Formats: sequence, structure tokens, C-alpha cells
Amino acid sequence: AQSVTQLDSQVPVFEEAPVELRCNYSSSVSVYLFWYVQYPNQGLQLLLKYLSGSTLVKGINGFEAEFNKSQTSFHLRKPSVHISDTAEYFCAVRKIQGAQKLVFGQGTRLTINP
Amino acid sequence: SQTIHQWPATLVQPVGSPLSLECTVEGTSNPNLYWYRQAAGRGLQLLFYSVGIGQISSEVPQNLSASRPQDRQFILSSKKLLLSDSGFYLCACAVGTNTEAFFGQGTRLTVV
Repeated sequence: AQSVTQLDSQVPVFEEAPVELRCNYSSSVSVYLFWYVQYPNQGLQLLLKYLSGSTLVKGINGFEAEFNKSQTSFHLRKPSVHISDTAEYFCAVRKIQGAQKLVFGQGTRLTINP
Repeated sequence: SQTIHQWPATLVQPVGSPLSLECTVEGTSNPNLYWYRQAAGRGLQLLFYSVGIGQISSEVPQNLSASRPQDRQFILSSKKLLLSDSGFYLCACAVGTNTEAFFGQGTRLTVV
């Protein structure tokens, strides 16, 4: 079975500072990887995804993530955050073949301080 | 692209009452459908997923059930709600094997 661990439940940063949200996964088979963002009382919106190819993927709102197979990690980064980035961020995995379950981590609450 | 409709947006129900949350999908066919629950301050817990009509996989034994009577309709039900059923319920849809899931806007259920 797949599992996802988001190492930080809360991350406070100052506006215009860089941020990294960490995600590690466990799976015995190859997986696709995703990052989602959730604003208060809303559904989830896709930030970016890794399917294959280049291990550095760029998403919306200036976010990017790097897939590291040897470390089974998919950390999310942004070089300069804005107040509007305050939200909950979720990392997720899905097996490439087989059961189509999308498994999420526990989420990281990103708070941007002025 | 697909659109996911969930209703109602908010719901307050007494303990012991039944529940029916509906999710419908537009703009695609034969999707994989998912029900997630998000408890306060916690992550997303996968409750059920379905790869086709009448095909339901349950992830966590609990007080809830799911049904898929039509290709683009997914229903979450309970015969008798518990206080612990309170949470934010999200329906999601994915098409194909290499695409992301799209989410509805969610239903906030409060059991009192």
C-alpha cells in the first residue's frame, strides 16, 4: 500500500521569503505524484504533478517541486511567497498501474506573515 | 473539462438521523470517483472509491456506505449518524490513469 508523510503540519514564513514544504512517500511500485492546495472551506486545486520525465516540475502560482526517487521525496518550493499563498497544502500519490486510489498526506498549513 | 457538483454545501443533522450526500459529474464519462472526509485539523481520509457503476471499494470500516447508481453519480449514505461523522466531505473525479483528480466544493456536515 502507498502512504504519504508530510513532515511539517504547520509552516509560518514571512512574506517574500522562500518556502519548502516537505513530502515523503512509501510505495512498492511506481507512482504518480501530486501537490494540491486548499483555501478555507473550499475543495482542492491542483498545483502540479509529476508523471514522468524531468524530475523538476513547475506548477501554478510560481510553485515547483522536485521528484527524488532515491529519497522517495517530492518537496514543494516557492522562491518568494505572498500573503495569498496562505492555505493548506496536500501531497498525494497514485499507483501507475492497478487500483486507482489517490492517497493524501496529512497536509501542511502554510501561514504567510507580513 | 469535468465539473463536479456536490450538495448541499452545509448540513446540520441530529445524531441517529440518516444521511445522503450526492455528487454528480459533468463533462466526462466513465470516471473514477472518490469520497474523502476531512476532519477538523486533519488530512484527507479516503472513504470510498469507484471505478464503475455498482463497483465500490471501501477503505475504512465505518458508519457510512457509498453507491454508484449511474456512471456520473456517486452517493454517500448513512442509516444513523454518529457525532464522529462530522467533517468536511469531498467528492473527487479522475479520468484515465495518468491524470489528476478534480474536486467538488465539499459538504460541511455537523452532527449534533
